[in-house]
Amino acid sequence: QQPVQSPQAVILREGEDAVINCSSSKALYSVHWYRQKHGEAPVFLMILLKGGEQKGHDKISASFNEKKQQSSLYLTASQLSYSGTYFCGTEAVSSGTYKYIFGTGTRLKVLA
Amino acid sequence: DSGVTQTPKHLITATGQRVTLRCSPRSGDLSVYWYQQSLDQGLQFLIQYYNGEERAKGNILERFSAQQFPDLHSELNLSSLELGDSALYFCASSVSGREGDTQYFGPGTRLTVL
Repeated sequence: QQPVQSPQAVILREGEDAVINCSSSKALYSVHWYRQKHGEAPVFLMILLKGGEQKGHDKISASFNEKKQQSSLYLTASQLSYSGTYFCGTEAVSSGTYKYIFGTGTRLKVLA
Repeated sequence: DSGVTQTPKHLITATGQRVTLRCSPRSGDLSVYWYQQSLDQGLQFLIQYYNGEERAKGNILERFSAQQFPDLHSELNLSSLELGDSALYFCASSVSGREGDTQYFGPGTRLTVL
């Protein structure tokens, strides 16, 4: 089952903050975050392994709550270049089989 | 530039035909993944190979097949094409293909089935 992301879409002004959530019904080994601009390949942002760690670089950070099978991506002081669709990619083992499933996606638009 | 290359960039074909998409992973990466992204849809994992062997299978149709060759490049074969197969097909590669590995995506092949 596909992880659900919220919100589905968000519009920001430059300098505003945003939070994107990713929820899975399966026990997760890790969560990957990607940003994809229209017609381009997804670009890796960061990976979080189980253990509840939080990571970040520059003005983008993320957390992973293993118990709740949820991850959140935090964008602070957004820039025009942050516009795009954000996907979480989740790794889970189901019935002994490794599965890599992307979330439903969140469209983010930053306005000047 | 991720270092992953995919050819061709664009492919236009007719229903019922067969096509082959090619992917070369980053230097040193042993694992290759294939994804399908339909118009305005999310990414669907199709299949993963590690060092020539199939490692994981996702939502790959029986009409589709893939393989990874000894030089580690991979090919995705799509046959009996239908209109609904029109999509962006991405290849990604990672070092070990294990859980927690970072995947680097190629630029994609846009397939249009008329």
